[in-house]
Amino acid sequence: ELKVEQNPLFLSMQEGKNYTIYCNYSTTSDRLYWYRQDPGKSLESLFVLLSNGAVKQEGRLMASLDTKARLSTLHITAAVHDLSATYFCAVDSKGGSEKLVFGKGTKLTVNP
Amino acid sequence: EAGVVQSPRYKIIEKKQPVAFWCNPISGHNTLYWYLQNLGQGPELLIRYENEEAVDDSQLPKDRFSAERLKGVDSTLKIQPAELGDSAVYLCASSLVRTGEQFFGPGTRLTVL
Repeated sequence: ELKVEQNPLFLSMQEGKNYTIYCNYSTTSDRLYWYRQDPGKSLESLFVLLSNGAVKQEGRLMASLDTKARLSTLHITAAVHDLSATYFCAVDSKGGSEKLVFGKGTKLTVNP
Repeated sequence: EAGVVQSPRYKIIEKKQPVAFWCNPISGHNTLYWYLQNLGQGPELLIRYENEEAVDDSQLPKDRFSAERLKGVDSTLKIQPAELGDSAVYLCASSLVRTGEQFFGPGTRLTVL
């Protein structure tokens, strides 16, 4: 059974600082997703990572995937308050449009 | 392009009452998902449809939960009777078959009193 672990679960950081969120998963997969969720809102897709070594960047966020280590990272550069949200990674338990298993999420708070 | 639409957004009921949620996926998306999200947790899959067919309902508590997707477009998820532990957010998502990326609706927040 696929298990997905994120850490940290809570992250409080100062504006301008850098930090990394980690997502580990237990069985082989080649599809990993990062989502953002604001309080009371739905999930917004951030990144889709489809192969080993994949790296994607959008603004101050960069995601990478190492399928051999079963690890994905979400790196935050020079954080700003608008990045405050909960970030989820989700791993496809099989290839394509099938069951996604989500981590518990990392609640990020960026303080002025 | 319109996103995934869900209604109602909020529902408060007393335990043992029935409740139903509705979802309209993104046009052209053949795959539809219902997820349950408890407070402080990630979403958990309840059921997945490919067109009209429920291809994965292994996590759906079938004693009280039911779902349907008539004509392969809109879907409804029903709980009868509701229990206190059913209080959660029910999310609907859709995707094109094969691409894998799922797009989520705003969810229905259910409170069972």
